Amino acid sequence: DPKIIQKPKYLVAVTGSEKILICEQYLGHNAMYWYRQSAKKPLEFMFSYSYQKLMDNQTASSRFQPQSSKKNHLDLQITALKPDDSATYFCASSQENTEVFFGKGTRLTVV
Amino acid sequence: AQSVTQPDARVTVSEGASLQLRCKYSYSGTPYLFWYVQYQRQGLQLLLKYYSGDPVVQGVNGFEAEFSKSDSSFHLRKASVHWSDSAVYFCAASIPSGSWQLIFGSGTQLTVMP
Repeated sequence: DPKIIQKPKYLVAVTGSEKILICEQYLGHNAMYWYRQSAKKPLEFMFSYSYQKLMDNQTASSRFQPQSSKKNHLDLQITALKPDDSATYFCASSQENTEVFFGKGTRLTVV
Repeated sequence: AQSVTQPDARVTVSEGASLQLRCKYSYSGTPYLFWYVQYQRQGLQLLLKYYSGDPVVQGVNGFEAEFSKSDSSFHLRKASVHWSDSAVYFCAASIPSGSWQLIFGSGTQLTVMP
């Protein structure tokens, strides 16, 4: 059973639209993350949250907004989508600063 | 700034041969170090980790890695590869007192020839 669930698996969006990527983890971890993988940058850290509070934000654009409604949820809202946002977005979690576990990713294509 | 370098973008070996994938990090202290594997169109799976202590760490599926502080390296090794080991391998580091972000290398595409 996957312990980190990402929805949807695939997503096609129109330029300028808004989408929300869903992530839930059932590992009991206190920290959650978003990473992005594209052809330009293999694996790029975006955000880290601990106990539902933002720890670090390495995303330059405010179009990317994490949302944590529950301690095991960390969704990613992306507004005003651009073709350059096309990538696979990975949600991850860890217990404190230990090994990080990754979900299977959401592959986003912006047309 | 901290960084992780994997100098070999692609490595091809024959099945049954030994393997070493190279990884070097840039950090003044000792980071936490990890190797992940990504099979085609899948998520990342943790192979092994190093926090401290014995510089040689064992992982899953016969993989091991050796930490060298003097060389700032964390190379991955396997004595005998199988065709199913074909995948992309990522070395990653995190700073113990930092924001817990993982800094990834660019990855090494491993192809095992039958």
